[in-house]
Amino acid sequence: AQTVTQSQPEMSVQEAETVTLSCTYDTSENNYYLFWYKQPPSRQMILVIRQEAYKQQNATENRFSVNFQKAAKSFSLKISDSQLGDTAMYFCAFMTTDSWGKLQFGAGTQVVVTP
Amino acid sequence: ETGVTQSPTHLIKTRGQQVTLRCSSQSGHNTVSWYQQALGQGPQFIFQYYREEENGRGNFPPRFSGLQFPNYSSELNVNALELDDSALYLCASSPGGLAGQAEAFFGQGTRLTVV
Repeated sequence: AQTVTQSQPEMSVQEAETVTLSCTYDTSENNYYLFWYKQPPSRQMILVIRQEAYKQQNATENRFSVNFQKAAKSFSLKISDSQLGDTAMYFCAFMTTDSWGKLQFGAGTQVVVTP
Repeated sequence: ETGVTQSPTHLIKTRGQQVTLRCSSQSGHNTVSWYQQALGQGPQFIFQYYREEENGRGNFPPRFSGLQFPNYSSELNVNALELDDSALYLCASSPGGLAGQAEAFFGQGTRLTVV
């Protein structure tokens, strides 16, 4: 069975500081994608960043970057220069190439950015 | 904000009733996936429709069914509602093809409450 584990239910960070969210996953597949989604109170799931497993280089999107450790099956998200608008639920998700379109999500980490 | 729209935004139903939720996919997207997100949990994959055919199903009973129309909009139907069906239902659309499946855009969801 494929699983996604987020071990931090909630993280608090001050504005302009950095926070790192952890995610581990379990799969026997070699080809897959990993994602971080953000879900603010508006409920809409917004893609933050995506990593393709065959790429060794870690993905970055502005203030968001990942640390992808394939052998350890670890995929952490770093939010730099945190802003109040970053307050949201963050979900790690996983999709294999033989189950296209089926995202498997972790339980989520609530990030609270304080002034 | 994406072009995926869901209706209604909120719905209250009585146990045993039937419900239909609707999703309009983003322009150019021919694949729609549905997810159930219970309170405090990550979304769970229900099923996916690709060019009007069911293309993968999660661990949900047959009383969860769907349709996709020629314009690629989609419906999720749930019969014989149970209290545990209370959740946020998310629709995601994506372009066709292998790479397209890794570019899912979500709607804002329908909050279903079963009483």
